[in-house]
Amino acid sequence: DTEVTQTPKHLVMGMTNKKSLKCEQHMGHRAMYWYKQKAKKPPELMFVYSYEKLSINESVPSRFSPECPNSSLLNLHLHALQPEDSALYLCASSHTGVGYEQYFGPGTRLTVT
Amino acid sequence: AQSVTQLGSHVSVSEGALVLLRCNYSSSVPPYLFWYVQYPNQGLQLLLKYTSAATLVKGINGFEAEFKKSETSFHLTKPSAHMSDAAEYFCAVTPWGGSQGNLIFGKGTKLSVKP
Repeated sequence: DTEVTQTPKHLVMGMTNKKSLKCEQHMGHRAMYWYKQKAKKPPELMFVYSYEKLSINESVPSRFSPECPNSSLLNLHLHALQPEDSALYLCASSHTGVGYEQYFGPGTRLTVT
Repeated sequence: AQSVTQLGSHVSVSEGALVLLRCNYSSSVPPYLFWYVQYPNQGLQLLLKYTSAATLVKGINGFEAEFKKSETSFHLTKPSAHMSDAAEYFCAVTPWGGSQGNLIFGKGTKLSVKP
């Protein structure tokens, strides 16, 4: 099974709302990632978790708060977002170490109104 | 710093024609190389990867890529395009000795297939 699942598929939220994105994988991967992708652009790395600990934060604003409750789950908590945060949010996972391929989920299409 | 260049933001081919999508990397030490495909409103799917075992790498859906160190290239090809190949294609690299999660993407090439 090489599947990464993400929920919800679509999310519309106001600038004062609090919402969460969820990601799950059962491939035994111990590295998990959040990416943001704007239209017609490649994905931009936001966060990396390795063995359930945050290892990379690419200077992401604090209105995005990641969480890795266990080795299979990854959450992204959203609060007080701006309209420019509207994008496709992708979760990915891989084995730890350099050079392993990342497996991506289908993404959550987020619209901030 | 490592970079990836995909020549041509948009490539259009006829159904049944050869597909050639170009990718060049910048480092003198060959990195790990990947091709991903993204269909509209979907996530990225791994097509193939190069990890130094063989210079010609076969992937899914009939795609293959050839690593050429002398040209610092990793171009993606498919002998005969199908309508279902229409998508965005990303070349990506992880530098040798890079850090966890350091996947550097090219800007992408949109492939259109004409009937």
